[in-house]
Amino acid sequence: SQQGEEDPQALSIQEGENATMNCSYKTSINNLQWYRQNSGRGLVHLILIRSNEREKHSGRLRVTLDTSKKSSSLLITASRAADTASYFCATVNSGGGADGLTFGKGTHLIIQP
Amino acid sequence: NAGVTQTPKFRVLKTGQSMTLLCAQDMNHEYMYWYRQDPGMGLRLIHYSVGEGTTAKGEVPDGYNVSRLKKQNFLLGLESAAPSQTSVYFCASSPFRGKTEAFFGQGTRLTVV
Repeated sequence: SQQGEEDPQALSIQEGENATMNCSYKTSINNLQWYRQNSGRGLVHLILIRSNEREKHSGRLRVTLDTSKKSSSLLITASRAADTASYFCATVNSGGGADGLTFGKGTHLIIQP
Repeated sequence: NAGVTQTPKFRVLKTGQSMTLLCAQDMNHEYMYWYRQDPGMGLRLIHYSVGEGTTAKGEVPDGYNVSRLKKQNFLLGLESAAPSQTSVYFCASSPFRGKTEAFFGQGTRLTVV
């Protein structure tokens, strides 16, 4: 079953604005990862945050994790047209993750020029 | 750097036909995965492998078989294709048990008519 649920399902903003996407999950995790998927392409890893971390930054990306609420957020600052894509959160369960990532359904982000 | 390569990229099958999807990775990763992506469903794990000669079932294994005879290759087979198997299939690999990012291929778009 799906582990993560992203919110919103779709988001349209103007170039230069910040975009925030949320992810909720159900079970104990080892880490949570965010991926980007451009239309018709494979998924590309953006950032990983471990269960003992609360916030992580990478360039224009900021991820937070609240394990007590089983939720995470991805903030993209100063958005660009090239950020238009679908964004997925994925969790690795606390058992070690040999059985792979469990993905949410994604947020489709559109950056209006 | 090739990374993860999937073959073929597109395929149309008739109901009842069989086919094999090939995934090859050149990063010497132990862990390999097959996912399917359907509209509104995110990615769901079909089968995975934790090393050469091993395979295990994921969330949606019915109708699929896999083999990992060589470390660098992970094959996904459909013995008797059904329209419900129309989907985009993604292969992924990772070096460690969920501790790091996964690397994805570009996908195989399969249509069963």
